[in-house]
This record gives sequence, C-alpha cells and structure tokens, in this order.
Amino acid sequence: QVQLVQSGAEVKKPGSSVKVSCRASGGTFGSYAIAWVRQAPGQGPDWMGGIIPIFNIAHYAQRFQGRITITADESTSTAYMELRRLTSEDTGVYYCARSFDIQRWFDTWGQGTLVTVSA
Amino acid sequence: DIQMTQSPSSLSASVGDRVTITCQASQDISKHLNWYQQTPGKAPKVLIYDVSNLETGVPSRFSGSGSGTDFTFTISSLQPEDIGTYYCQQYDHLPISFGQGTRLEIK
Repeated sequence: QVQLVQSGAEVKKPGSSVKVSCRASGGTFGSYAIAWVRQAPGQGPDWMGGIIPIFNIAHYAQRFQGRITITADESTSTAYMELRRLTSEDTGVYYCARSFDIQRWFDTWGQGTLVTVSA
Repeated sequence: DIQMTQSPSSLSASVGDRVTITCQASQDISKHLNWYQQTPGKAPKVLIYDVSNLETGVPSRFSGSGSGTDFTFTISSLQPEDIGTYYCQQYDHLPISFGQGTRLEIK
C-alpha cells in the first residue's frame, strides 16, 4: 500500500522560501493527483493546490497564486510544493494528500511537515 | 469560493450517545461532500465520501446524508476512540474547501 513520506520540519525567515517534498513509498503516484493542504495552528485544513503528475498540470488556490509552485517528478514518485515570500501567517503543518483526481476526497495523507516562519 | 459552515463547533457527549454534526455549503455542491476525522498530531482521515459512502474499514456507526447545501454526519453510538475533530470538505468547485471543524469530546 502506498504511503506518502514528507520531508522534515523547516524554520524559515520572513521573506524567504520553503520547498517541501512528498514521496510515494511502496509504489508510485500512478494516475492519482497529489494535493497540498495547509493547517495553521488551531485551524481547519486549507487546500493550497494540486497536481496530476502524469499530466504535470497544477491547479492553485487563488490566494496563493504567484507565491506557490507545485511540481512532480514521476521518475522518483516525488511531489514538491514551494512557497515563496513567507510571512508568519504561513506557519503551520503542510500535508500532501492523494486523491483520484484534482477534485475528489483524499484517501492517503503524508505525515505532515511543520514549517515555522520566524525572525 | 464556497464557504463550508459546520455546527456545532464543539460538543461533548457520552459513550453510546447518538451524535450529529451539520455542514452547510454557501452554494449548491450536489453530493460532492466528504467527512474526515482528525486526532491531535495526525493527518485527517477520510470516513465518508460523496455524502454517504463509507471508506473501507470505517465502522458502520458512522453515516452521512444530505445534498445540495445541507449535510449531516452521524455517529449512531459514540465510542471512546471517536474523540477528535471532524471536518466536512467540498470538492464541487475549486478551490476545495473544508469546514472549520467540530471538536468532539467524551463526557
């Protein structure tokens, strides 16, 4: 059964960028989509965007447009999420999650990556 | 963007109680509504997809109903392991959106 394994925690300065990875362990992405979902402390999940690796087409939430890039490397079954121009409001846990298509439910989640933005 | 409004925001119930959570969408989302449970320090876990379909391995005490803008999630007989925060999620329109959550505690 495929598991999603994310990169480790990050501490970043305001104005910098972060790049989080998500690797499919025990399989490949296949034709699934990979989404990135952020959860700020004490808040609900917030969908940032997603990609279908075999088509390499990404969709983004408007509020992150211009600051986010989601990519995928099929050869290594790894997806990436880069967020630029970080502020303290970007502090939170970032999850990757798998779904059958961009617009479906998420049946497999990564373990989460804590990103802390602090001067 | 579609706003998802859950109620209540928190509730406390006894083991064996019937528990109901509601979720209202700001516009018609047909049956494109899912429910998740999240426990502290863990990722959300899907329990129900497309309003009423139980994910594999999820106990049958969980159920869902509704369509359009109004949806309901029910636990027929609350168990101690059901504590956590529950979220609804719509996928009818991008951006995908979640409710603000319902925190469930055991009395």
